[in-house]
Amino acid sequence: DAGVTQSPTHLIKTRGQHVTLRCSPISGHKSVSWYQQVLGQGPQFIFQYYEKEERGRGNFPDRFSARQFPNYSSELNVNALLLGDSALYLCASTLDTFTDTQYFGPGTRLTVL
Amino acid sequence: QKEVEQNSGPLSVPEGAIASLNCTYSDRVSQSFFWYRQYSGKSPELIMSIYSNGDKEDGRFTAQLNKASQYVSLLIRDSQPSDSATYLCAAPTHTGGFKTIFGAGTRLFVKA
Repeated sequence: DAGVTQSPTHLIKTRGQHVTLRCSPISGHKSVSWYQQVLGQGPQFIFQYYEKEERGRGNFPDRFSARQFPNYSSELNVNALLLGDSALYLCASTLDTFTDTQYFGPGTRLTVL
Repeated sequence: QKEVEQNSGPLSVPEGAIASLNCTYSDRVSQSFFWYRQYSGKSPELIMSIYSNGDKEDGRFTAQLNKASQYVSLLIRDSQPSDSATYLCAAPTHTGGFKTIFGAGTRLFVKA
């Protein structure tokens, strides 16, 4: 079975632009979480989605938004990019919102110039 | 106070030794704890989870949890150079919605 997949692998944007990152969870998993990891720090929780509904939100500005589709894949959108948004964006898959065991995808490396 | 704290290291141990990684957490409501291994430039990889006080062993890895002291640790026996990585401690919480708090990670170097 395929693990968590994310696209694209790498992305370069300029300040003020918008970006969309994509994630497909492990087959049978219905919950997806998004994290931002800046170099030298641990992952910072952004969102959790389960059954297309937001179930958790971290301390990120409204420029960050996400959604989950009927096939349980998910998109993370970031508007008005800032230099500080440069990071590794991780998607994690869990069976459901009651299960805490998360499996991470390979991540998307976003560079904002 | 950070919600999940780890010593950033680096922690250096010789090959074959026991590496001891520590983590403290502030949210007493947290019921489960996870250790992830992250190689440079890669995503976190789940090593172990622990839910109950005491020890949990899986191969060369042992996780220890003390809820009274709000302390979680990971022991790696017979450390190998391939164990050199950053180890992340994580504590999920369902209070006020779901979120998982990660520590900043401890860098481990195993010298051959």
